[in-house]
Amino acid sequence: SYELTQPPSVSVSPGQTARIICSGDALPKQYAYWYQQKPGQAPVVVIYKDTERPSGIPERFSGSSSGTTVTLTISGVQAEDEADYFCQSADSSGYLYVFGTGTKVTVL
Amino acid sequence: QVQLQESGPRLVKPSETLSLTCTVSGDSLNDNYWTWIRQPAGKGLEWIGHIYISGNINYDPSLKSRVSMSVDTSKNQFSLNLTSVTAADTAVYYCARGLDIVTGYYRAHWFDPWGQGTLVTVSS
Repeated sequence: SYELTQPPSVSVSPGQTARIICSGDALPKQYAYWYQQKPGQAPVVVIYKDTERPSGIPERFSGSSSGTTVTLTISGVQAEDEADYFCQSADSSGYLYVFGTGTKVTVL
Repeated sequence: QVQLQESGPRLVKPSETLSLTCTVSGDSLNDNYWTWIRQPAGKGLEWIGHIYISGNINYDPSLKSRVSMSVDTSKNQFSLNLTSVTAADTAVYYCARGLDIVTGYYRAHWFDPWGQGTLVTVSS
């Protein structure tokens, strides 16, 4: 089955930049999405279609894509950004959906 | 504002059927892909499948033999049934709206919004 791989954890100091990479073989042909999940809450989309930011999501969240990897960047990290982040995409058929393994962002 | 709310039994016995309903407010079930996703405690997210009002249904291959979904437009609800459950099916179950946009060669599909989730435990 298709898999998306993320680092288990990323630590960053307030005001610094956090980057989370998601790897998958089908990413050159499929869009990627990023979700933020805080403890006890449902995931919320922060980036869709690789680089688009939904209304209400702070500008410090941005996405990029290059080959078989996509990256979520949080610029000027704030304490409230501490959460789990999951990437999501589709397999090569485009009709089966998969989430990444998840990355816990810790704000030091 | 679109909102989704899961409901159903929180405890299911092994080998029995897990049944959940998602009630949607602020949107019609006539559009979009209505989706179930689950998350075992401390683990990642797993897409279970979705249903579209036209009858287009798609399930994760690993669960396909045990899953069924349906829609009740009169109540603006959609449902999940998972048969022959085991302890491995214990998880928080989320319902979500699947947004689907086709632009030329590319198709975009993501989940927004999500319900708050409901923990279903499989235990005797």
